[in-house]
Amino acid sequence: DQQVKQNSPSLSVQEGRISILNCDYTNSMFDYFLWYKKYPAEGPTFLISISSIKDKNEDGRFTVFLNKSAKHLSLHIVPSQPGDSAVYFCAASADYGQNFVFGPGTRLSVLP
Amino acid sequence: DGGITQSPKYLFRKEGQNVTLSCEQNLNHDAMYWYRQDPGQGLRLIYYSQIVNDFQKGDIAEGYSVSREKKESFPLTVTSAQKNPTAFYLCASSMARHPVAQHFGDGTRLSIL
Repeated sequence: DQQVKQNSPSLSVQEGRISILNCDYTNSMFDYFLWYKKYPAEGPTFLISISSIKDKNEDGRFTVFLNKSAKHLSLHIVPSQPGDSAVYFCAASADYGQNFVFGPGTRLSVLP
Repeated sequence: DGGITQSPKYLFRKEGQNVTLSCEQNLNHDAMYWYRQDPGQGLRLIYYSQIVNDFQKGDIAEGYSVSREKKESFPLTVTSAQKNPTAFYLCASSMARHPVAQHFGDGTRLSIL
Protein backbone atom coordinates (compact mmCIF):
# COMPACT_ATOMS: atom_id res chain seq x y z
CA ASP A 1 0.00 0.00 0.00
CA GLN A 2 1.57 3.26 -1.14
CA GLN A 3 1.81 5.74 1.69
CA VAL A 4 2.81 8.57 -0.64
CA LYS A 5 0.94 8.96 -3.90
CA GLN A 6 1.48 11.14 -6.91
CA ASN A 7 -1.54 10.34 -9.02
CA SER A 8 -0.46 12.20 -12.14
CA PRO A 9 2.35 10.31 -13.88
CA SER A 10 2.91 13.24 -16.23
CA LEU A 11 2.04 16.90 -16.68
CA SER A 12 2.59 19.31 -19.59
CA VAL A 13 2.63 23.06 -19.14
CA GLN A 14 3.39 26.02 -21.39
CA GLU A 15 6.49 28.04 -20.62
CA GLY A 16 5.67 31.01 -18.39
CA ARG A 17 2.56 29.42 -16.92
CA ILE A 18 2.14 27.83 -13.50
CA SER A 19 2.98 24.17 -12.90
CA ILE A 20 1.14 22.48 -10.04
CA LEU A 21 2.34 19.07 -8.92
CA ASN A 22 0.29 17.20 -6.37
CA CYS A 23 1.09 14.66 -3.68
CA ASP A 24 -1.23 12.81 -1.31
CA TYR A 25 -0.26 10.76 1.72
CA THR A 26 -2.04 8.36 4.02
CA ASN A 27 0.11 8.32 7.15
CA SER A 28 -0.97 11.04 9.59
CA MET A 29 2.34 10.63 11.42
CA PHE A 30 4.28 12.23 8.56
CA ASP A 31 5.75 15.45 9.87
CA TYR A 32 8.27 16.54 7.27
CA PHE A 33 8.02 16.68 3.50
CA LEU A 34 10.45 17.22 0.65
CA TRP A 35 10.28 17.72 -3.08
CA TYR A 36 13.09 16.45 -5.29
CA LYS A 37 13.74 17.03 -8.97
CA LYS A 38 15.38 14.37 -11.11
CA TYR A 39 16.86 14.63 -14.59
CA PRO A 40 17.49 11.48 -16.67
CA ALA A 41 20.61 9.52 -15.69
CA GLU A 42 21.16 11.72 -12.64
CA GLY A 43 20.31 11.39 -8.97
CA PRO A 44 17.47 13.42 -7.46
CA THR A 45 18.32 16.91 -6.25
CA PHE A 46 16.62 18.57 -3.32
CA LEU A 47 14.22 21.33 -4.22
CA ILE A 48 12.21 22.51 -1.23
CA SER A 49 10.93 21.23 2.11
CA ILE A 50 8.11 21.89 4.53
CA SER A 51 7.50 20.76 8.08
CA SER A 52 4.08 19.96 9.47
CA ILE A 53 4.05 23.09 11.62
CA LYS A 54 3.78 25.21 8.47
CA ASP A 55 1.30 25.33 5.63
CA LYS A 56 3.47 27.12 3.10
CA ASN A 57 7.12 27.47 2.21
CA GLU A 58 8.48 29.56 -0.62
CA ASP A 59 11.85 29.62 -2.35
CA GLY A 60 12.08 31.75 -5.47
CA ARG A 61 9.84 30.30 -8.16
CA PHE A 62 8.97 27.30 -6.02
CA THR A 63 6.26 27.20 -3.37
CA VAL A 64 5.09 24.16 -1.44
CA PHE A 65 1.67 24.11 0.21
CA LEU A 66 0.68 21.63 2.91
CA ASN A 67 -2.92 20.81 3.83
CA LYS A 68 -2.66 18.49 6.82
CA SER A 69 -6.38 17.88 7.19
CA ALA A 70 -6.55 16.69 3.57
CA LYS A 71 -3.16 14.95 3.78
CA HIS A 72 -2.18 16.76 0.62
CA LEU A 73 0.73 18.83 -0.50
CA SER A 74 1.44 20.59 -3.74
CA LEU A 75 4.41 22.17 -5.45
CA HIS A 76 3.81 25.32 -7.48
CA ILE A 77 6.38 26.50 -10.02
CA VAL A 78 5.83 30.03 -11.30
CA PRO A 79 6.77 30.87 -13.98
CA SER A 80 7.58 27.49 -15.49
CA GLN A 81 10.73 27.25 -17.60
CA PRO A 82 11.88 24.58 -20.07
CA GLY A 83 14.72 23.70 -17.68
CA ASP A 84 12.11 22.66 -15.14
CA SER A 85 11.27 19.64 -17.31
CA ALA A 86 12.14 16.68 -15.09
CA VAL A 87 10.60 14.07 -12.83
CA TYR A 88 9.46 15.45 -9.48
CA PHE A 89 9.32 13.24 -6.39
CA CYS A 90 7.44 13.98 -3.23
CA ALA A 91 8.91 12.43 -0.05
CA ALA A 92 7.53 12.24 3.48
CA SER A 93 9.06 11.42 6.84
CA ALA A 94 7.41 10.28 10.08
CA ASP A 95 10.56 10.76 12.15
CA TYR A 96 11.24 14.36 11.27
CA GLY A 97 13.60 13.70 8.44
CA GLN A 98 15.50 10.62 9.50
CA ASN A 99 13.94 8.36 6.88
CA PHE A 100 11.71 9.17 3.94
CA VAL A 101 8.99 7.45 1.94
CA PHE A 102 8.99 8.51 -1.70
CA GLY A 103 6.13 8.87 -4.14
CA PRO A 104 6.37 7.41 -7.67
CA GLY A 105 7.10 10.77 -9.28
CA THR A 106 5.44 13.05 -11.82
CA ARG A 107 7.13 13.86 -15.12
CA LEU A 108 6.79 17.56 -15.88
CA SER A 109 7.26 18.79 -19.43
CA VAL A 110 7.46 22.55 -19.93
CA LEU A 111 6.78 23.38 -23.55
CA PRO A 112 8.43 26.43 -25.14
CA ASP B 1 33.82 19.70 -5.27
CA GLY B 2 31.94 17.82 -2.56
CA GLY B 3 29.51 15.16 -3.60
CA ILE B 4 28.52 11.54 -3.82
CA THR B 5 30.13 9.22 -6.35
CA GLN B 6 28.51 6.01 -7.43
CA SER B 7 30.34 3.56 -9.63
CA PRO B 8 29.97 2.05 -12.07
CA LYS B 9 27.15 3.85 -13.87
CA TYR B 10 26.06 0.66 -15.65
CA LEU B 11 26.61 -2.86 -14.36
CA PHE B 12 25.79 -6.23 -15.82
CA ARG B 13 25.58 -9.39 -13.82
CA LYS B 14 25.14 -13.02 -14.66
CA GLU B 15 22.49 -14.89 -12.76
CA GLY B 16 23.82 -16.44 -9.56
CA GLN B 17 26.63 -13.91 -9.12
CA ASN B 18 27.05 -11.42 -6.33
CA VAL B 19 27.88 -7.86 -7.35
CA THR B 20 28.98 -4.86 -5.32
CA LEU B 21 27.96 -1.27 -6.04
CA SER B 22 30.24 1.46 -4.81
CA CYS B 23 29.18 4.66 -3.05
CA GLU B 24 31.66 7.24 -1.80
CA GLN B 25 30.95 10.69 -0.34
CA ASN B 26 33.24 13.54 0.60
CA LEU B 27 30.59 15.69 2.24
CA ASN B 28 31.52 14.56 5.76
CA HIS B 29 27.98 13.27 6.19
CA ASP B 30 27.29 10.81 8.97
CA ALA B 31 24.26 9.10 7.43
CA MET B 32 24.19 7.13 4.19
CA TYR B 33 21.36 5.36 2.39
CA TRP B 34 20.72 2.93 -0.45
CA TYR B 35 17.52 3.10 -2.50
CA ARG B 36 16.17 1.09 -5.37
CA GLN B 37 14.01 2.59 -8.12
CA ASP B 38 11.81 0.54 -10.42
CA PRO B 39 9.75 1.94 -13.31
CA GLY B 40 6.61 3.71 -12.11
CA GLN B 41 7.59 3.42 -8.47
CA GLY B 42 9.13 5.72 -5.95
CA LEU B 43 12.47 5.14 -4.32
CA ARG B 44 12.41 2.26 -1.86
CA LEU B 45 14.87 2.12 1.02
CA ILE B 46 17.17 -0.91 1.09
CA TYR B 47 19.59 -0.14 3.92
CA TYR B 48 20.74 2.91 5.83
CA SER B 49 23.56 3.74 8.19
CA GLN B 50 23.59 6.59 10.70
CA ILE B 51 27.14 5.99 11.88
CA VAL B 52 30.26 3.99 11.03
CA ASN B 53 30.05 0.26 11.81
CA ASP B 54 26.28 0.41 12.21
CA PHE B 55 23.47 -0.02 9.70
CA GLN B 56 19.78 -0.89 9.64
CA LYS B 57 17.51 -2.67 7.19
CA GLY B 58 15.10 -0.62 5.17
CA ASP B 59 11.87 -1.76 3.58
CA ILE B 60 13.37 -4.17 1.03
CA ALA B 61 16.65 -5.46 2.52
CA GLU B 62 16.22 -9.11 1.53
CA GLY B 63 18.90 -10.24 -0.92
CA TYR B 64 21.16 -7.27 -0.16
CA SER B 65 24.03 -6.63 2.23
CA VAL B 66 26.04 -3.55 3.18
CA SER B 67 29.05 -2.53 5.21
CA ARG B 68 30.09 0.78 6.75
CA GLU B 69 33.74 0.48 7.71
CA LYS B 70 34.51 4.09 6.82
CA LYS B 71 32.46 7.24 7.10
CA GLU B 72 33.00 8.01 3.41
CA SER B 73 32.00 4.63 2.00
CA PHE B 74 28.80 2.56 1.99
CA PRO B 75 29.05 -0.28 -0.56
CA LEU B 76 25.98 -2.34 -1.42
CA THR B 77 26.25 -6.01 -2.38
CA VAL B 78 23.44 -7.47 -4.44
CA THR B 79 23.54 -11.18 -3.68
CA SER B 80 22.29 -14.12 -5.71
CA ALA B 81 19.42 -14.34 -3.21
CA GLN B 82 17.91 -11.17 -4.70
CA LYS B 83 15.47 -12.63 -7.23
CA ASN B 84 14.78 -9.48 -9.19
CA PRO B 85 17.93 -7.35 -9.06
CA THR B 86 17.46 -5.43 -12.31
CA ALA B 87 16.84 -1.84 -11.20
CA PHE B 88 18.31 1.62 -10.80
CA TYR B 89 20.19 1.95 -7.50
CA LEU B 90 20.68 5.28 -5.78
CA CYS B 91 22.97 6.10 -2.88
CA ALA B 92 22.37 9.14 -0.69
CA SER B 93 23.90 10.81 2.32
CA SER B 94 22.86 13.42 4.86
CA MET B 95 23.99 15.14 8.01
CA ALA B 96 23.05 13.22 11.12
CA ARG B 97 21.05 16.08 12.57
CA HIS B 98 17.46 16.12 11.37
CA PRO B 99 15.51 17.22 9.56
CA VAL B 100 17.62 17.61 6.51
CA ALA B 101 17.43 16.69 2.87
CA GLN B 102 19.49 13.84 1.48
CA HIS B 103 22.07 14.34 -1.25
CA PHE B 104 22.00 11.74 -3.97
CA GLY B 105 24.56 10.22 -6.30
CA ASP B 106 23.82 9.74 -9.99
CA GLY B 107 22.92 6.10 -9.60
CA THR B 108 23.97 2.70 -10.93
CA ARG B 109 21.81 0.79 -13.36
CA LEU B 110 22.12 -2.95 -12.77
CA SER B 111 21.01 -5.42 -15.44
CA ILE B 112 20.97 -9.20 -15.44
CA LEU B 113 22.46 -10.99 -18.47
